[in-house]
Amino acid sequence: DTAVSQTPKYLVTQMGNDKSIKCEQNLGHDTMYWYKQDSKKFLKIMFSYNNKELIINETVPNRFSPKSPDKAHLNLHINSLELGDSAVYFCASSHRLAGVYNEQFFGPGTRLTVL
Amino acid sequence: GEDVEQSLFLSVREGDSSVINCTYTDSSSTYLYWYKQEPGAGLQLLTYIFSNMDMKQDQRLTVLLNKKDKHLSLRIADTQTGDSAIYFCAESIPYDYKLSFGAGTTVTVRA
Repeated sequence: DTAVSQTPKYLVTQMGNDKSIKCEQNLGHDTMYWYKQDSKKFLKIMFSYNNKELIINETVPNRFSPKSPDKAHLNLHINSLELGDSAVYFCASSHRLAGVYNEQFFGPGTRLTVL
Repeated sequence: GEDVEQSLFLSVREGDSSVINCTYTDSSSTYLYWYKQEPGAGLQLLTYIFSNMDMKQDQRLTVLLNKKDKHLSLRIADTQTGDSAIYFCAESIPYDYKLSFGAGTTVTVRA
C-alpha cells in the first residue's frame, strides 16, 4: 500500500523519559512534516524537511529534535517528556511546491500520553 | 490557526445539507483546501479550490470562494452518517511550504 505510516500508534510514558516516533512514506515525496494536534483538535506545524534539509522550524521547545535519514523517513525524538507534550502527532508528506498546490498526505497519527 | 478561522461545531440531520464556513486573512493565498478527519485517523484531502475560482463542485461537495470577503465554504449535499467527522480548512501561501489550518469544525450527523 502506498501511504504514510507512523510507529507506534500509541505511546504511554512517564514524565522525564525520552521517546521517538518514526515516520515513513513510500509516495516518492520530497517533503515531510510533523504536526501536533492538541486536545482541542487544533493542528499546529512543528517541522518540515525537504530532501533531508530542515525548511520549517516553528517555535517548538528544543527538547523536540527531528531527524531525516533520507527523503522517505522523518523521525521525531523528544527528550525529557512533559505532561504538556501529550497530544496526537501527525506525520505528513507532499511534493515541494512552495505556495502552489500543496496536497499533504497524512499518517494515522501517534497518540502520546505522558503520565 | 490564527490566520484561518472556523466555527467549531455543526449538527445536521441525515439527508439535509451541511454548510461549513471558514475565513482566512492572507489575500495572497493560492490554494484553499478542505480536509476531513474521521475519529482516530489522520487527515484526508476532500477537495481544494484555486484562488482564481469562485466555485468548484465534486459530486456531493460544493466549494464556494469569496475572495473579497476571504470566505470559504464547503457544502455537503444529502449528508450521511459517514460524513460525521472534523473538517479542516487550510490555505497555502506563495513561497511558504506549510499549510495553515483552521481549528476544525466537528460535524455531527443525527438520524
